Amino acid sequence: AQKVTQAQTEISVVEKEDVTLDCVYETRDTTYYLFWYKQPPSGELVFLIRRNSFDEQNEISGRYSWNFQKSTSSFNFTITASQVVDSAVYFCALSEVGGRGSTLGRLYFGRGTQLTVWP
Amino acid sequence: GAVVSQHPSWVICKSGTSVKIECRSLDFQATTMFWYRQFPKQSLMLMATSNEGSKATYEQGVEKDKFLINHASLTLSTLTVTSAHPEDSSFYICSAREVRGLSYGYTFGSGTRLTVV
Repeated sequence: AQKVTQAQTEISVVEKEDVTLDCVYETRDTTYYLFWYKQPPSGELVFLIRRNSFDEQNEISGRYSWNFQKSTSSFNFTITASQVVDSAVYFCALSEVGGRGSTLGRLYFGRGTQLTVWP
Repeated sequence: GAVVSQHPSWVICKSGTSVKIECRSLDFQATTMFWYRQFPKQSLMLMATSNEGSKATYEQGVEKDKFLINHASLTLSTLTVTSAHPEDSSFYICSAREVRGLSYGYTFGSGTRLTVV
């Protein structure tokens, strides 16, 4: 069965600190996608990244970077030089790969990590 | 990019009334729509999956007669909370899955905060 674990419930840092949000997943599928979403207090989900299971290249986008390691089933997210605007709940999610119009392809969410960045 | 418009963004209703939440995909065809519910400080819980033109598939424990889902077109899906009660107060989010070639993505609506008084 698919499962996503975000062991860190809450993290508090001071502005300009680096912070890493952990994500560990479980799946029997060989093909899958991993996602990170940001949910600010307003509630909407902001897409950050999608990574497929065949692409283990780490990715950097500005202050954000992701470390995907299949060997440890982890997809960790690092924010460098954190800012107050980074304060939000961050969700890691896993999806199966399904055919068009099927019930496969649902997202399995972790419970989220509340990040608070203090000025 | 792909956009899903969700309305209303918030609604307050009296116990016993029904509330309809709409999600429209504005620039793509949403073959599959997922409906989630989120309680404060908790994760998103999948309620049901709907495919255009067919009945929705509900997750275990979700009452299909209470949460009516209609996905009559490729651009519109609705969730109706029937005979709402205070325990139905929650944040509801829809998510459309768009298939693009060999890959696909999810586009989320902005959510609806329902308060039943």
